[in-house]
Amino acid sequence: GAVVSQHPSRVICKSGTSVKIECRSLDFQATTMFWYRQFPKQSLMLMATSNEGSKATYEQGVEKDKFLINHASLTLSTLTVTSAHPEDSSFYICSVRGTTFYEQYFGPGTRLTVT
Amino acid sequence: GQQVMQIPQYQHVQEGEDFTTYCNSSTTLSNIQWYKQRPGGHPVFLIQLVKSGEVKKQKRLTFQFGEAKKNSSLHITATQTTDVGTYFCAGSSNDYKLSFGAGTTVTVRA
Repeated sequence: GAVVSQHPSRVICKSGTSVKIECRSLDFQATTMFWYRQFPKQSLMLMATSNEGSKATYEQGVEKDKFLINHASLTLSTLTVTSAHPEDSSFYICSVRGTTFYEQYFGPGTRLTVT
Repeated sequence: GQQVMQIPQYQHVQEGEDFTTYCNSSTTLSNIQWYKQRPGGHPVFLIQLVKSGEVKKQKRLTFQFGEAKKNSSLHITATQTTDVGTYFCAGSSNDYKLSFGAGTTVTVRA
């Protein structure tokens, strides 16, 4: 399967600042990447689908101006949490869609804490 | 979109025993996938089921897809401590997006 990295793995920021999270597909050209958030002991909630070279598709209830997604190349997608607030604190995970079974390969996740 | 429900939320198992986790979708699925997330880790793809009534095995894990393609189950036999983690089912309906169930968190008593 695909190898996916995320950076940073943990980040603490102050309320009102912006944070950028990178998701890289290390061995696979990913035309489609996904961004999820996961609260403690809860399931994964799809935030948006990131398509290389085009605008991301956001799920209902996810603010596109708050969670900026850029998928500029086949190996990199970024998620920027703008004007972060404590309620944005969460575990953000990206994934790459495979081609065999359309399975998804997940990155290790980024733990965001907003103080 | 479809909603995927998964039970039980928690499963405490004596080492060596069997258990099953169940998934139900509000709509017919084109496929269902299963993932395992170890504590502190990220979800790892286990398997995909596509055909109605399909059954697949991976060692001690048996995955089933219902005849109506709306439900699925994962059965683990002779549970080991390495089985600890949260098992998620994820359904897809004619597109590539996945709707994840709530997950079943498994703990094992030695």
